[in-house]
Amino acid sequence: EDKVVQSPLSLVVHEGDTVTLNCSYEVTNFRSLLWYKQEKKAPTFLFMLTSSGIEKKSGRLSSILDKKELFSILNITATQTGDSAVYLCAVEAVAGDMRFGAGTRLTVKP
Amino acid sequence: NAGVTQTPKFQVLKTGQSMTLQCAQDMNHNSMYWYRQDPGMGLRLIYYSASEGTTDKGEVPNGYNVSRLNKREFSLRLESAAPSQTSVYFCASSEYPSGRARKTQYFGPGTRLLVL
Repeated sequence: EDKVVQSPLSLVVHEGDTVTLNCSYEVTNFRSLLWYKQEKKAPTFLFMLTSSGIEKKSGRLSSILDKKELFSILNITATQTGDSAVYLCAVEAVAGDMRFGAGTRLTVKP
Repeated sequence: NAGVTQTPKFQVLKTGQSMTLQCAQDMNHNSMYWYRQDPGMGLRLIYYSASEGTTDKGEVPNGYNVSRLNKREFSLRLESAAPSQTSVYFCASSEYPSGRARKTQYFGPGTRLLVL
């Protein structure tokens, strides 16, 4: 059965810390892996990864995919209180269906 | 562009009642999705429509039906609501999955449903 597992489930850090969020998956006919940030309402898109070893970057956030070991990490450097959110990992199959992990709740304290 | 819109924002139903959640997108996306989100369980795919005229079951389709009315609209119907369907429902849309095309999924604001 397809599954996406995120770890840790929750994380509390202080401003300025660097965090690494993990996402492992088992999905038939993998197409892509996506990261989202969810604050109070709908998730917002961060990254889409399709190829191993190519780092995607956006400001202080970066992500990389390992298709051999079936995982991805999301790094956030120099965290700020505005980074506090639930970070969701999702894997898309070739057929088009999406499977989400349970999310990692990140709390950044001043 | 309004992006992805959903109605209603909030609904209370009694067990056994039926209702339809509406979703529309104005980005000319081919693919549309319905998810439910429950505490501690992330988002779970109910149904999706890869393109106009097609619908497929996701992870948790039981108790739901969908209609892809046209390219813009994708509705979710609960024929006989149950308390287990209390959840937040999100609609999403994305560009058609094709080759190396960048595919970003946009979410609507969500519908909070309470079934008593």
